[in-house]
Amino acid sequence: NAGVTQTPKFQVLKTGQSMTLQCAQDMNHEYMSWYRQDPGMGLRLIHYSVGAGITDQGEVPNGYNVSRSTTEDFPLRLLSAAPSQTSVYFCASSTGGSPAYEQYFGPGTRLTVT
Amino acid sequence: GNSVTQMEGPVTLSEEAFLTINCTYTATGYPSLFWYVQYPGEGLQLLLKATKADDKGSNKGFEATYRKETTSFHLEKGSVQVSDSAVYFCALSGFGNEKLTFGTGTRLTIIP
Repeated sequence: NAGVTQTPKFQVLKTGQSMTLQCAQDMNHEYMSWYRQDPGMGLRLIHYSVGAGITDQGEVPNGYNVSRSTTEDFPLRLLSAAPSQTSVYFCASSTGGSPAYEQYFGPGTRLTVT
Repeated sequence: GNSVTQMEGPVTLSEEAFLTINCTYTATGYPSLFWYVQYPGEGLQLLLKATKADDKGSNKGFEATYRKETTSFHLEKGSVQVSDSAVYFCALSGFGNEKLTFGTGTRLTIIP
């Protein structure tokens, strides 16, 4: 099993550009989520999904879109990048239907917006 | 809402020292509690968890006990190693809640 994979590992964007961060898992997990990690703030939930076709907002969803067309993939789209979106982004998936179960994290994508 | 407060870092210890990283929480009901660890350049991985009061989670020599009376879940290890150098996150998942709430993380450095 590859576990949770994320691409790209690093990305630099200019303000106003758009891009998609890719996330895939091969463990047949129903629950997937996106977090951003900022210094001194821990991890904050952006969006999550409890299964294919079902997504919902976390605590910091503004400026991001998600979709879940398959169990395996959960891409995160930045619509118009802003410097405030400079962060490290982690995708995670969970064995059960909620984060009360162990979450498996990808290696992260470090995004810089200039 | 739910919140997690953990000990400010960074923490620097000598090898074989005793480790405590404090974590307290605010939540309604009976949340599940977790410690996640992030090694340099990697994503987070679950270290241990406890799902009800007085449960003790343990893994790799680390332990934490779910104390409802003090709303705490302190992480301890009796003798740390250089390989324990990492960032440690306390987290909780409330009953019926769809998200994990994380603390701000504590960076631990062990020197030989």
